[in-house]
Amino acid sequence: NAGVTQTPKFRILKIGQSMTLQCAQDMNHNYMYWYRQDPGMGLKLIYYSVGAGITDKGEVPNGYNVSRSTTEDFPLRLELAAPSQTSVYFCASSSRTGGDTQYFGPGTRLTVL
Amino acid sequence: AQSVAQPEDQVNVAEGNPLTVKCTYSVSGNPYLFWYVQYPNRGLQFLLKYITGDNLVKGSYGFEAEFNKSQTSFHLKKPSALVSDSALYFCAVRDIIYNQGGKLIFGQGTELSVKP
Repeated sequence: NAGVTQTPKFRILKIGQSMTLQCAQDMNHNYMYWYRQDPGMGLKLIYYSVGAGITDKGEVPNGYNVSRSTTEDFPLRLELAAPSQTSVYFCASSSRTGGDTQYFGPGTRLTVL
Repeated sequence: AQSVAQPEDQVNVAEGNPLTVKCTYSVSGNPYLFWYVQYPNRGLQFLLKYITGDNLVKGSYGFEAEFNKSQTSFHLKKPSALVSDSALYFCAVRDIIYNQGGKLIFGQGTELSVKP
């Protein structure tokens, strides 16, 4: 059981480039989330989805886009990368809201130069 | 508004001694509370959660946490620390009612260092 997987593990982008961070889960979870982690700042929610075809903004959505065409996949798109987007990105999923635990992927470390 | 505070950036303990990592929260309604641990260059791993019922919650690796509603706290504890417990610990809260999509609000993290 792979759980939540993320690719790539590391990436260096130049300012203005675009890329997609991939996230997939094999637990048939309806809820999926994208967070970014900056040193000393905890995790901030970028976007989330409560099911295929339904997405909504989190706390820090500017500069990012998401889509959810299937239950399993929740890619995060960075358009026109900026140095402020240098961070570690985590994808998470849970079966439903309420008290259900969110399970996290291993993360993608992104540097924008 | 929901918020979580972890007042200590770092906690240092000697191996074998008890450890406490502090967390306080603020929500409009009743909280769901979580603790996660992050080892270097890894994702977050779930440790334990409080949903309802007994205020003392037991979790993975011998950790436990006590929910205190009057003090709005959810401190993480372990009776005897191990060097392998050294990691970054995050407290998180979810408001039961005033929340859409099950979003978690995270504290800024506490670095636990256990010395032999």
